[in-house]
Amino acid sequence: EPEVTQTPSHQVTQMGQEVILRCVPISNHLYFYWYRQILGQKVEFLVSFYNNEISEKSEIFDDQFSVERPDGSNFTLKIRSTKLEDSAMYFCASSSWSGRPAGELFFGEGSRLTVL
Amino acid sequence: AQKVTQAQTEISVVEKEDVTLDCVYETRDTTYYLFWYKQPPSGELVFLIRRNSFDEQNEISGRYSWNFQKSTSSFNFTITASQVVDSAVYFCALGDTGGFKTIFGAGTRLFVKA
Repeated sequence: EPEVTQTPSHQVTQMGQEVILRCVPISNHLYFYWYRQILGQKVEFLVSFYNNEISEKSEIFDDQFSVERPDGSNFTLKIRSTKLEDSAMYFCASSSWSGRPAGELFFGEGSRLTVL
Repeated sequence: AQKVTQAQTEISVVEKEDVTLDCVYETRDTTYYLFWYKQPPSGELVFLIRRNSFDEQNEISGRYSWNFQKSTSSFNFTITASQVVDSAVYFCALGDTGGFKTIFGAGTRLFVKA
């Protein structure tokens, strides 16, 4: 069964360092998303991406964050200068929508980011 | 503004009990979508159900059932005859029709004891 894959599964970084989290969405999906979950807390929307551009972003997604689809398969989230409060599990998701008005989100297993 | 409220932070039941997880939402959109996701202890997020705002028919899938009431902006989830494997965090979510944003409630942690 197709799945969303994320790398790395866990990354430890020093405050102020740049981090890139990678995702390979399901191949025929057109909508891509990043969410984050601080330990034990709610799942927070960061950004959605469609047709090679950001379609929606939350107030969390400030200038320190960026997303890119550098090729036909990868979808990346970059944090330019990490802060302690960026420590969280980051989930990538994709959706097909395929003509329907709404579709379920297929989530990856997450990338745990620890900022020291 | 869109908002999803899951007032129950944690629920603990004994196996075979029925349990209902509450979800109340706010949106100005006339058309929208509601979802439930499950997050077991292993951490992944698993889709359970999607409901369109214009379809208030309740749904049953095995031991799971969902009660959507537009008049009270609620989309409650009932597990009948709970099992230990149902122990997880359950998230209610609200999505726009464009497919661009789905927001999650804070989640309800369900403990099912043997």
